[in-house]
Parts: sequence; structure tokens; C-alpha cells
Amino acid sequence: EPEVTQTPSHQVTQMGQEVILRCVPISNHLYFYWYRQILGQKVEFLVSFYNNEISEKSEIFDDQFSVERPDGSNFTLKIRSTKLEDSAMYFCASSAPLDGAGELFFGEGSRLTVL
Amino acid sequence: GQNIDQPTEMTATEGAIVQINCTYQTSGFNGLFWYQQHAGEAPTFLSYNVLDGLEEKGRFSSFLSRSKGYSYLLLKELQMKDSASYLCAVMDSNYQLIWGAGTKLIIKP
Repeated sequence: EPEVTQTPSHQVTQMGQEVILRCVPISNHLYFYWYRQILGQKVEFLVSFYNNEISEKSEIFDDQFSVERPDGSNFTLKIRSTKLEDSAMYFCASSAPLDGAGELFFGEGSRLTVL
Repeated sequence: GQNIDQPTEMTATEGAIVQINCTYQTSGFNGLFWYQQHAGEAPTFLSYNVLDGLEEKGRFSSFLSRSKGYSYLLLKELQMKDSASYLCAVMDSNYQLIWGAGTKLIIKP
């Protein structure tokens, strides 16, 4: 069964460092998302991406964040200068066009720890 | 503002039935999702409702009333492995998923 894959599964970094989280969405999907979940809290939407551009972003997704789809398969989330409060689980998800199924397929997540 | 409400925690007995409610207020509606999330893992898809009524899928069923802004997830024949958080999420008019805080379901033997 096709799946969304994310790397790394866990990354520890120093405050102020740049971090890149990578995702390979399901190959025929067209919509891509990043979500984050701080430990014990709700899942929060960060950004959605369609047709090689950001379609929606939340207030959390400020200038420190960026997304890229550099080569047609990878979908990356970059945090330019990490802060302690960026420590969270980051989930990538993808979906096909809304043709009735409406399911978002999630990767297993990348746990980011900022020290 | 946009809001999804669901109970914080529920407890049920193995073999029993439990209903987890979700109410929502969003700008537009393009469907309601239920996801299961075990601690430390990614959410996994359970159901998607876009029309009023009941959708049944094995031991799990999901109901939607758009006029009332209300949904429930019904779990039957509960098993210990059903202990997890259950997340209600609504897709708004911008196709953005708005998430509830999740309901932690504790199953007791």
C-alpha cells in the first residue's frame, strides 16, 4: 500500500539552527500538507501546497518557515532559525483531488527537539 | 472564529459501545473526518462524512448532521487496542482541516 514517508524520524538541534524536514508524498497525490503537534496538544495546521505553490498557511507559519518541492517527489519543510517552542512532532500529509474519498494520508512524523 | 468541540476524555469497558461527539463551527464545510491517534504516532484515517447520515465501517460508524454542526463516532465491541485519542477534523471552505483537541478514550477490561 502506498505511504507517505518522512525523514528524519527524530532530530535534535540547538536553538537558532536551521532544520529541514523531508517528506515523500504518495506519488499520484496533488495536495501536500504540513502539520505539527506539540506534545499533549492538538494537531495544528501549518501549510498546504498545491500546484507548486502554497495554497493556505496558518498564523504559525511565519517567515521562519518555508516549504519546497524541489524535484517532483520530495516535499520539505525548513525552519530557518529554530526556537525552543518549535519542539514538536511534525507530520506531512498528502491527498488526491477531493473526489469523494477525502482522506489525508499521514507520514509517521518527524520529532523535532530544540535545545 | 472556527471551533471544534469534543470531550477531553472518555472511559469505556472492553466489549461495550462508546459514542464520541463532536460539534463544530467553521467557515464553510467540505467534510468531516475522524482520525485515530495512538500516543507518539501519526493520525490514521477512520472516516469521512460530507452528507448527512450514518456511515458504517466494521466496528466503527460515523454520523453527521450538517444543520446541527454535529457528528459522532460510534465504536462497537470495544477492544483494548481501541485505547487512543480520537480526533474530529472539519475541512473548511478553503479546504483547510480544522482539528479538534481530540478525545482520549480509555478502555478498561
